[in-house]
Amino acid sequence: EVQLVQSGAEVKKPGESLKISCKGSGYSFTSYWIGWVRQMPGKGLEWMGIIYPGDSDTRYSPSFQGQVTISADKSISTAYLQWSSLKASDTAMYYCVRANCGGDCYLSPFDYWGQGTLVTVSS
Amino acid sequence: DIQMTQSPSSLSASVGDRVTITCQASQDISNYLNWYQQKPGKAPKLLIYDASNLETGVPSRFSGSGSGTDFTFTISSLQPEDIATYYCQQYDNLPTFGGGTKVEIK
Repeated sequence: EVQLVQSGAEVKKPGESLKISCKGSGYSFTSYWIGWVRQMPGKGLEWMGIIYPGDSDTRYSPSFQGQVTISADKSISTAYLQWSSLKASDTAMYYCVRANCGGDCYLSPFDYWGQGTLVTVSS
Repeated sequence: DIQMTQSPSSLSASVGDRVTITCQASQDISNYLNWYQQKPGKAPKLLIYDASNLETGVPSRFSGSGSGTDFTFTISSLQPEDIATYYCQQYDNLPTFGGGTKVEIK
């Protein structure tokens, strides 16, 4: 069974750093792209970026380029989303997603979703 | 960015009603269009991919159609468990989502 299991909720202060995780299981982790989607409180879905764990090829939405870093450790089948300096506006639920294809085709449906990690940034 | 305009933003219908949601892309996206269902407090779930293909295990009362810039998502007979917000998403270019349609029972 394919599963994406995310790390737990976080409460941070503005200016702090944070790294959240998404562990894949039940499939070949290095063969499918893993992306991140933001959902701010009461709002819609926003695609942030995506990584191919096989070779760490990474693409970002222009809206998030330079604001976050996406990485992966294929040895432990885990993808990460990190911030170097959080802002209150980063408060949101963050979902990791699997793109339903591998290799060159990172543009594809998101067939599996993690359970979400709620990040709260408040002074 | 390709903009996705989804309508209506919310709707209320009775059990058994036919429900239709539309999604319009700001440019031609062929059939690179997916539909997701998000129930309250849960992660979204893929229902329809490539505009009209039903994901495995999804009830047949859900369907999708369209190509180019105009797409439609239909629930043929609304059930109580279909209460959710539905999102369209294009992947012709960097993925973008529609604003969502909240479906409620009248």
